[in-house]
Amino acid sequence: ELKVEQNPLFLSMQEGKNYTIYCNYSTTSDRLYWYRQDPGKSLESLFVLLSNGAVKQEGRLMASLDTKARLSTLHITAAVHDLSATYFCAVDDGLGAQKLVFGQGTRLTINP
Amino acid sequence: SAVISQKPSRDICQRGTSLTIQCQVDSQVTMMFWYRQQPGQSLTLIATANQGSEATYESGFVIDKFPISRPNLTFSTLTVSNMSPEDSSIYLCSVPGGLSYTFGSGTRLTVV
Repeated sequence: ELKVEQNPLFLSMQEGKNYTIYCNYSTTSDRLYWYRQDPGKSLESLFVLLSNGAVKQEGRLMASLDTKARLSTLHITAAVHDLSATYFCAVDDGLGAQKLVFGQGTRLTINP
Repeated sequence: SAVISQKPSRDICQRGTSLTIQCQVDSQVTMMFWYRQQPGQSLTLIATANQGSEATYESGFVIDKFPISRPNLTFSTLTVSNMSPEDSSIYLCSVPGGLSYTFGSGTRLTVV
């Protein structure tokens, strides 16, 4: 059974600082997804990582994938308050059914 | 990517009653997915709905409790039956789109 674990689960940081969220998964998978969820809202797709060594960047967020280590990271550079949200990673179960298994989520709070 | 219209956005229901949630997609899709997000938790897949066949339910979810209809390639409904306070959650539908998955806006259900 595929398991996806994120850490930390809660993160409070100051504006201007850098930090990284980690996503580990337990079995081989070709695709890893990062989503953002604002309170009371649905999920917004941030990144899709398709291969080992893939790196994607959008603004202050950068995601990377190491399929050998079964690890993805979401790096936040010079955080701003607008990035406060819950971030989820999700992995395709790889069995052809296109099912996503989600991590627990990281609730990020950025303080002025 | 696809655009999903999900209704209702929220509801407060009496225990023992049922609620049907609708998702309309602006394009034809083979698979639709229904997720549950309990308060403060991650997303858990309830079932996969394919047009023209029975939905496939994940462990811990049964058809009698969560019947699903998929009459065509753009529409699906999820019913939460015989509700109890433990069913209070956000329910989301999702479809594959491009490289990622698109999520509906969610239905916030409170059972009293």
